[in-house]
Amino acid sequence: KAGVTQTPRYLIKTRGQQVTLSCSPISGHRSVSWYQQTPGQGLQFLFEYFSETQRNKGNFPGRFSGRQFSNSRSEMNVSTLELGDSALYLCASSAGTLAGGSSYNEQFFGPGTRLTVL
Amino acid sequence: QKEVEQNSGPLSVPEGAIASLNCTYSDRVSQSFFWYRQYSGKSPELIMSIYSNGDKEDGRFTAQLNKASQYVSLLIRDSQPSDSATYLCAVNRGSASKIIFGSGTRLSIRP
Repeated sequence: KAGVTQTPRYLIKTRGQQVTLSCSPISGHRSVSWYQQTPGQGLQFLFEYFSETQRNKGNFPGRFSGRQFSNSRSEMNVSTLELGDSALYLCASSAGTLAGGSSYNEQFFGPGTRLTVL
Repeated sequence: QKEVEQNSGPLSVPEGAIASLNCTYSDRVSQSFFWYRQYSGKSPELIMSIYSNGDKEDGRFTAQLNKASQYVSLLIRDSQPSDSATYLCAVNRGSASKIIFGSGTRLSIRP
């Protein structure tokens, strides 16, 4: 089974620009979560999509947005980039369909997109 | 109080010894518990999941869960230099809830 893929792997942008990152989940997975990871803040949750609907949201400004398509692929967009947006952006997929403790809630991460804002 | 707490380390363990990593969580209704390993510059890799009280073993790894004490741990037996990484504890209420990650413990296995 193919794993989670993310494109592009590396990106360099300048302040004020916008960027779109893409994530393709494991086949059959319907939940995609996005995280920002920086050395100082660790892994921070951005949002989660399930069946094309945003199900959970972290504490990030509105410049960060996302969407999910009917094939479960997801994109996240960051508008008006700031220097502080430089980070590793990770997406993770899970089946995400059962309540309670279950392996269906296990999340598997893609390789990440390293964004540098100059 | 953080929702998921881990000692940041670094935790230094001699090769061949047992490494013990600990994690506490604040949400009593949490039902899924995960351990991820992350090498420098790489993405987190799921190594253990545990859902009920007690121990769960997988090769050199043992996860331990105590819901009454809101405590989950990871033991690594016969530690190898390749085990040197940051270990992230993650907790989830169940489906439709986000997974909460701890800040991670840096583990260093010294030869």
